[in-house]
Amino acid sequence: GEDVEQSLFLSVREGDSSVINCTYTDSSSTYLYWYKQEPGAGLQLLTYIFSNMDMKQDQRLTVLLNKKDKHLSLRIADTQTGDSAIYFCAEYSGGGADGLTFGKGTHLIIQP
Amino acid sequence: KAGVTQTPRYLIKTRGQQVTLSCSPISGHRSVSWYQQTPGQGLQFLFEYFSETQRNKGNFPGRFSGRQFSNSRSEMNVSTLELGDSALYLCASSLGHTNTEAFFGQGTRLTVV
Repeated sequence: GEDVEQSLFLSVREGDSSVINCTYTDSSSTYLYWYKQEPGAGLQLLTYIFSNMDMKQDQRLTVLLNKKDKHLSLRIADTQTGDSAIYFCAEYSGGGADGLTFGKGTHLIIQP
Repeated sequence: KAGVTQTPRYLIKTRGQQVTLSCSPISGHRSVSWYQQTPGQGLQFLFEYFSETQRNKGNFPGRFSGRQFSNSRSEMNVSTLELGDSALYLCASSLGHTNTEAFFGQGTRLTVV
């Protein structure tokens, strides 16, 4: 079945850029997403990208998609303490797919 | 515009009991999906409802069921609760059934003792 892989932890200094990486196996993935989850909260949709796009930028967030390598990344510029959370990569194949397939999440730790 | 509302936020149930969770999607959204989140398995898809019809179902036993009403509100039911059903249950709302923008609620934290 489909699989989405992420590193479990990423530690960055406040003010630096954070780059969270994700790989997926389903070549028919149509949409790829980044969600943020803070402690005790639900999932916040940060951004998503269609598979026919290479890049999407939204304020401090930049998403890069390498469809050939099935690699997705999320760059957060000028990382702040409020960015500390778990970031989930997810993919959706469309049609009769069984919902979103999520990675295990990357814990972003901000060092002062 | 109000977001996705899940009730209750927290539940404690005993093994063998049943439970019903509720999700009210964003106004105008017709698709509701349910996910189970546990530390071990992560986020797993349960099922999706669109216009009162179940469109897709994940790999969960028949004890897990759901339904959607004409106003798009959805409920999920878990019967004969097991300890392993303890999890955060998340509901996602989207305009259509393609999940292009799926917005999640805060979740219901179910603890089975």
